Amino acid sequence: SQTIHQWPATLVQPVGSPLSLECTVEGTSNPNLYWYRQAAGRGLQLLFYSVGIGQISSEVPQNLSASRPQDRQFILSSKKLLLSDSGFYLCAWSVAGDQPQHFGDGTRLSIL
Amino acid sequence: RKEVEQDPGPFNVPEGATVAFNCTYSNSASQSFFWYRQDCRKEPKLLMSVYSSGNEDGRFTAQLNRASQYISLLIRDSKLSDSATYLCVVTPPGGSYIPTFGRGTSLIVHP
Repeated sequence: SQTIHQWPATLVQPVGSPLSLECTVEGTSNPNLYWYRQAAGRGLQLLFYSVGIGQISSEVPQNLSASRPQDRQFILSSKKLLLSDSGFYLCAWSVAGDQPQHFGDGTRLSIL
Repeated sequence: RKEVEQDPGPFNVPEGATVAFNCTYSNSASQSFFWYRQDCRKEPKLLMSVYSSGNEDGRFTAQLNRASQYISLLIRDSKLSDSATYLCVVTPPGGSYIPTFGRGTSLIVHP
């Protein structure tokens, strides 16, 4: 069966520090991969999605970037975190665009 | 009109009650629909897909009304454990990989 792993579960970072969140999927090939952010009490905001290795589409221009160095690995990065980057970051995968997404456990990021 | 709209609630119901949520969408050509459940401070989890013919899973029934462009979720015999936020998801046509999530409807089931 397919599983998705996302780490770390929680992260506290100072303003201006770099960020790297990693997500891996097992049990499937060539999944669609997604990064979302959810601010407290708000809906899901799609940040990036990828339909293949090296293919990244950005939905929201900001100081975050994403990379997909391997088929089942999706990384969210930032060179310099802002206070507004705080939130709950979720990675998800699906077998196709019209199929349901399955989420990782999420990373709760606090910026101090 | 927003792409996907949900009443944020909260819906406050007693155990055993029947409760229904609707979710409206703006793109009439949308092709896939889902309901997710999200517990506080947790990831969304797929509850059920919504098919044109409707579908039922135990106490949960989902329906699609294409003419009026909404999907619904009916929960019968509510349990305390049903307390959560319910998100609807709509996928646009044409092979786009960008599903749209509603903001969610909060359900509180009390004793």
